[in-house]
Amino acid sequence: QVQLVESGGGVVQPGRSRRLSCAASGFNFSGYGMHWVRQAPGKGPEWVAVIWFDGSNKYYADSVKGRFTISRDNTKNTVYLQMNSLRAEDTAVYYCARVYDRSGSAFLFDYWGQGTLVTVSS
Amino acid sequence: DIQMTQFPSTLSASVGDRVTITCRASQTFTSWLAWYQQKPGKAPKLLIYKASTLESEVPSRFSGSESGTEFTLTISSLQPDDFATYYCQQYNTYPTFGQGTKVEIK
Repeated sequence: QVQLVESGGGVVQPGRSRRLSCAASGFNFSGYGMHWVRQAPGKGPEWVAVIWFDGSNKYYADSVKGRFTISRDNTKNTVYLQMNSLRAEDTAVYYCARVYDRSGSAFLFDYWGQGTLVTVSS
Repeated sequence: DIQMTQFPSTLSASVGDRVTITCRASQTFTSWLAWYQQKPGKAPKLLIYKASTLESEVPSRFSGSESGTEFTLTISSLQPDDFATYYCQQYNTYPTFGQGTKVEIK
């Protein structure tokens, strides 16, 4: 069965960096685009970034552009989110999510991980 | 960006009630709209995509429709497992979500 397991969350000071990982299993990882989506406490989800199945294209939300970098290692079935210059407003649960391949769109998600909480605070 | 305005923010209902949740888009697009259900501490679960296509294994009491820039999620007969928060999401462009509707017990 499809499994996505995020890790790397925790408390980080403003201005510092953090790298999140998402380990995938149960499907052909190298054939799927992957997203990061975050959800601040008590708020709706917010899309963060997407990476194409082969890493050839990456797109970011304006709120993180220039600070966050999405990458993947298809030999390790893992997608990453490098977060730099963190701000208090980046505090959220970060989910990785798989592109819903049958939808005809790269921007719909079918499977999500359980999420990892990042708290930006001094 | 396409903004999604979702209402109501909270809805109190009883088991067996018919429930309707609406999302209004800031600009017109065709059908690239999904609905998710989220329970506390869990990731969102996809219910409906392409405005009205039911995801596999989602009960048939859930349905979706569209009219112009308005999209509607209907639960025909609310069940105990349906008390949760619901979000719409457009995927016509970079994804954006509605603010959510919490369905609570009346």
